[in-house]
Amino acid sequence: KAGVTQTPRYLIKTRGQQVTLSCSPISGHRSVSWYQQTPGQGLQFLFEYFSETQRNKGNFPGRFSGRQFSNSRSEMNVSTLELGDSALYLCASSPSAGPLGTEAFFGQGTRLTVV
Amino acid sequence: EDKVVQSPLSLVVHEGDTVTLNCSYEVTNFRSLLWYKQEKKAPTFLFMLTSSGIEKKSGRLSSILDKKELFSILNITATQTGDSAIYLCAADFGNEKLTFGTGTRLTIIP
Repeated sequence: KAGVTQTPRYLIKTRGQQVTLSCSPISGHRSVSWYQQTPGQGLQFLFEYFSETQRNKGNFPGRFSGRQFSNSRSEMNVSTLELGDSALYLCASSPSAGPLGTEAFFGQGTRLTVV
Repeated sequence: EDKVVQSPLSLVVHEGDTVTLNCSYEVTNFRSLLWYKQEKKAPTFLFMLTSSGIEKKSGRLSSILDKKELFSILNITATQTGDSAIYLCAADFGNEKLTFGTGTRLTIIP
């Protein structure tokens, strides 16, 4: 059974650009949650998608958006990139909606560097 | 405000030592607490605790929750170099998401 796949693994962008990150969940999992991890802040919740609907959203500006497709794959988009957006972006897939539980698995993350 | 605080921020010990990692949280609508190990990128699940005073154990790792004092500890006995990682604690405050602490970076010296 394939794990959670995030692409790309690494990305370097310039301030002001936009970026799209992808997350393919474990087969059969319908929930995808996104987290931003920075050294000083730890993991911060961005949003959760379940059955193509955004169920929950964290305290991030509107520049951060996402969507989920019918095959449960999810993308997140960050527009007008700022230096502070440099982080590891992790997604987690789960068979059910809501907070991550014992059956949730994280992907390897996308390391975004904004210069 | 939902908050999870981990201590220490970092810890360096020698192989074979026993370590205790701490996680405290605020009480608002607390439902469960989870521990993860993050070695390189992907955090991997260790324990989920919902009941106070019941120890969860897996090999050399164990964890317990104290709902009265609002904290949890993660113990690792006979540490090995493979235990070097960031250990993350997260809480479910009933708001449909997990709130994570900043993590404890554990380094095991051979």
